[in-house]
Formats: sequence, C-alpha cells, structure tokens
Amino acid sequence: AQTVTQSQPEMSVQEAETVTLSCTYDTSESDYYLFWYKQPPSRQMILVIRQEAYKQQNATENRFSVNFQKAAKSFSLKISDSQLGDAAMYFCASETSGSRLTFGEGTQLTVNP
Amino acid sequence: DAGVIQSPRHEVTEMGQEVTLRCKPISGHNSLFWYRQTMMRGLELLIYFNNNVPIDDSGMPEDRFSAKMPNASFSTLKIQPSEPRDSAVYFCASSDSNTGELFFGEGSRLTVL
Repeated sequence: AQTVTQSQPEMSVQEAETVTLSCTYDTSESDYYLFWYKQPPSRQMILVIRQEAYKQQNATENRFSVNFQKAAKSFSLKISDSQLGDAAMYFCASETSGSRLTFGEGTQLTVNP
Repeated sequence: DAGVIQSPRHEVTEMGQEVTLRCKPISGHNSLFWYRQTMMRGLELLIYFNNNVPIDDSGMPEDRFSAKMPNASFSTLKIQPSEPRDSAVYFCASSDSNTGELFFGEGSRLTVL
C-alpha cells in the first residue's frame, strides 16, 4: 500500500518570504505521479503542481517549485515570494495505478502580513 | 468546461435518514472518484470507477454506503441509514487517465444529527 507523510502539521511564513513544505512517500511503483494540492477555506481542492517520477527535472509553476528526490522518496514544495492568498491547507499526494491518489495528512500554511 | 459538479453543497439530516450525494464529472473524463474528508482521518478514497465500472470499493466503510455510476456523466453516493459518524465533506473527482490529474468538485458537507 502507498503511504504519504507530511511531518509538518502547521507552518507559517512572512509575506514575500520563502517557505518549504515537506513530504515523503512510499511506493512500489516504478513510474508514478506526485502532486501538491491546495485547499483554501472555501474547501475547493486546487492542483498546485505535478511531478512525473521518470522526469529528473524538478517541476515549477510560477512561484511554486518542487524538490524531488526519487531515491529518498522525498517531494517538497517551495513557495517563493509568499502571498496572503497562499494561506491554505496543502496536501501532498502520490498516484497509484488507475489515477488513484493517496494523500498525506496536510500542512496548514499561515502567511503573516 | 464547468468542472466537476456536486450537489448538494450542504446537507443536514437526522440519524437514520437516507442521504444521496450527486456528482457530474468533467465531460470526457473516464475515471471518477469519491473521497471523504474528516479531521480525524484526512482524505480517504471510498470508491472509484473507470468507464462507469466500479474498480475498487475497498474504501467504502460499510454496507450502509453504496455508489453507482449509471452513465459517464452521473454518479451517486448513498448512505442508508446515516449515522452521526458519517458527518464529513464528501468530494467527487474525475480524471483523464492519460494525465493522471484529478479535478475535484467543491464537495458536499454532510452533517448527521
């Protein structure tokens, strides 16, 4: 079974600063996807970024980037130039066959003005 | 595209009543997922369908829960009879298996009194 672990229940960052959210996972798959989803108070689950495991290059989406360490099964999310709108619960997820996602416990990010 | 559409957004009912949650996936997506989110257990996969066929229902908590997908554009999750411990946010999501990306609906918040 796949497991995803987010060891930081809460994080905070000053506006305009950089923050890194940690995630580790365990999978027996050789090819898979990893995701970060954001859930603001509206509770809508929003895809932030996706990484394909066979790609060595780290994914980036504007201010969001990942540090993907396949051997260590680590997949951290870096948010640069943090904005108030980034405040949300962030979930790391790994994909099993058939597009099933296993989610971590979540990290609540607070952005301080 | 309108995205994944769920109804109702909120449901308050009394213990023992039947509850039906509805979902319309994104047109063209061939996989549909039902997730449950609670504070205690996080996001749990209940069941998923591929091409309208249930593939894995091992996450369905017990026989009181049932899900159907009569056609590619509609799915229901039914709880009968409902219990207070079923109170949660229920998410429907769909995906195109080529990309692996999951698109979530806004969720249905269920409160069972």
